[in-house]
Amino acid sequence: DTEVTQTPKHLVMGMTNKKSLKCEQHMGHRAMYWYKQKAKKPPELMFVYSYEKLSINESVPSRFSPECPNSSLLNLHLHALQPEDSALYLCASSQGVRMVNTEAFFGQGTRLTVV
Amino acid sequence: GENVEQHPSTLSVQEGDSAVIKCTYSDSASNYFPWYKQELGKGPQLIIDIRSNVGEKKDQRIAVTLNKTAKHFSLHITETQPEDSAVYFCAASTEGGKLIFGQGTELSVKP
Repeated sequence: DTEVTQTPKHLVMGMTNKKSLKCEQHMGHRAMYWYKQKAKKPPELMFVYSYEKLSINESVPSRFSPECPNSSLLNLHLHALQPEDSALYLCASSQGVRMVNTEAFFGQGTRLTVV
Repeated sequence: GENVEQHPSTLSVQEGDSAVIKCTYSDSASNYFPWYKQELGKGPQLIIDIRSNVGEKKDQRIAVTLNKTAKHFSLHITETQPEDSAVYFCAASTEGGKLIFGQGTELSVKP
């Protein structure tokens, strides 16, 4: 099983809403990642969790709040987002705790629209 | 800063022809270079990768070459098929433990 599962696939939320994105993997990977991808652009790293601890935060605004409840799950809590936050949000995981020199798997993403 | 340049941004080939995508990186410490294929509405899928101690790697119709001296690496797809149509991203590792992605190449294979 080389699958990273993300839910929901699509999400529309208002600027005052609170919502959460979920990611799950059962490959025993010890590193999990959140990326943001705008149309026709490469993925941009947001957060890295290694052994369930936040190891990298790429200066992401506090309206995005990550959480890693256990080694298989990764959440991204959203609050007071702006329309420019609309994008495809990708979760990834890798066996190595750094996404270098190790194969990383991406989920299908959550298409987020902020209205 | 760390940067990966990818060319071309769009590539159109006839079915059966070869396709080549080239990337140049700036971080001399980079030692891992994956290539991802992203189809419409899907997440990126790793298709091949190469490490700095290897100059070339092949997997069926896909091959990657690496020139560490010149700091560039390339993806070669032979006998292209319509299902190869997608956006391809190269990436390079950084000393800080991240992947830096190129800007992507939209490959179109015409039947």
